[in-house]
Amino acid sequence: ETGVTQTPRHLVMGMTNKKSLKCEQHLGHNAMYWYKQSAKKPLELMFVYSLEERVENNSVPSRFSPECPNSSHLFLHLHTLQPEDSALYLCASSQGGQLYGYTFGSGTRLTVV
Amino acid sequence: GQQVMQIPQYQHVQEGEDFTTYCNSSTTLSNIQWYKQRPGGHPVFLIQLVKSGEVKKQKRLTFQFGEAKKNSSLHITATQTTDVGTYFCAGFNNAGNMLTFGGGTRLMVKP
Repeated sequence: ETGVTQTPRHLVMGMTNKKSLKCEQHLGHNAMYWYKQSAKKPLELMFVYSLEERVENNSVPSRFSPECPNSSHLFLHLHTLQPEDSALYLCASSQGGQLYGYTFGSGTRLTVV
Repeated sequence: GQQVMQIPQYQHVQEGEDFTTYCNSSTTLSNIQWYKQRPGGHPVFLIQLVKSGEVKKQKRLTFQFGEAKKNSSLHITATQTTDVGTYFCAGFNNAGNMLTFGGGTRLMVKP
């Protein structure tokens, strides 16, 4: 265990489904992140939450919706996804700022059918 | 926007040979981080370099930050099968709130 727990580990969903990915960190970090990892773009930043401030990557489609209810939990709500959204979704946390490395969870392997 | 590029994309080596991956940024970096991802695993933080020209070592791994703080390298001496994986460099954007990863170098080691 890395201290960052992601559930589920695997998810298969249809294009009309709504599902959520969950991330929980037990490290006392104050920043959390969602990354997408696929064959085409190895590690692509999607969203950043730092001290409850959300920094968004403008290229993320609205069918992905993040939620950060507190500094320990992060969700990624998914709806009407496309097959090209199939990828490994990685959550990470850090102390915030530029002086610390990121701790990644094991990821959720998402397949959209 | 900021771009971080790595070469080579893939590298096959015989066990015992050395390996180097190079990282180049389109902008000056405040610092650079390196991560390793084993096959089927997730990225794991290895090290951070902050100072211009800085060199750090972790056993057989040597990390270097360029004088202009726009490039970096990771050198592995006498590779072992346990070194197999993808090595990523990463740098922050100017605002310091978004860590951008390079495309990674996938290392394969033949025993």
